[in-house]
Amino acid sequence: EDKVVQSPLSLVVHEGDTVTLNCSYEVTNFRSLLWYKQEKKAPTFLFMLTSSGIEKKSGRLSSILDKKELFSILNITATQTGDSAVYLCAVEAISSGSARQLTFGSGTQLTVLP
Amino acid sequence: ETGVTQTPRHLVMGMTNKKSLKCEQHLGHNAMYWYKQSAKKPLELMFVYNFKEQTENNSVPSRFSPECPNSSHLFLHLHTLQPEDSALYLCASSEVAADGYTFGSGTRLTVV
Repeated sequence: EDKVVQSPLSLVVHEGDTVTLNCSYEVTNFRSLLWYKQEKKAPTFLFMLTSSGIEKKSGRLSSILDKKELFSILNITATQTGDSAVYLCAVEAISSGSARQLTFGSGTQLTVLP
Repeated sequence: ETGVTQTPRHLVMGMTNKKSLKCEQHLGHNAMYWYKQSAKKPLELMFVYNFKEQTENNSVPSRFSPECPNSSHLFLHLHTLQPEDSALYLCASSEVAADGYTFGSGTRLTVV
């Protein structure tokens, strides 16, 4: 059974701090690892990392994938109050057909104080 | 709006009621999904539809009944639910090679 474990479960920082969120996984026939940000309801897509793209960066956010050690980290530099959210990690296994099934972790609740 | 629209946003129902959740996507995606998100738990995949055909049912109780009449619409019919079914129900859609899913804003369901 595929498994995703995120740590820490919650994190409180002040504006300007740098945070690192962790995601470890076990999956049969790994296809990709995805990061999402969930503020109110709809999770919004941040990054997808695959064998061919093990490091991604967008503004203050960056993520790396270590396929050997089966983990990923999400870094946020110079945090802002708008970064407060639950950050979800998910892994996708290779499957037949076009449907894509993700296994999610429990998320990390990040709170950025002014 | 993300391109995936869910209605209603909130629903309170009794254990003997019958209600339906609706999801609609206009992204041209060919796969649609229902997820359940309970407090303090990971998102749980409930159903997968691929080109209108159900390809996955993750041991979901029969009181949840999905319907996918076409590739743009997905329903979740609810009947004789239990209080532990109270949760956020998220719909998502995806394309084969695209990055990730697109989620709807969800329906917050409370069973009383």
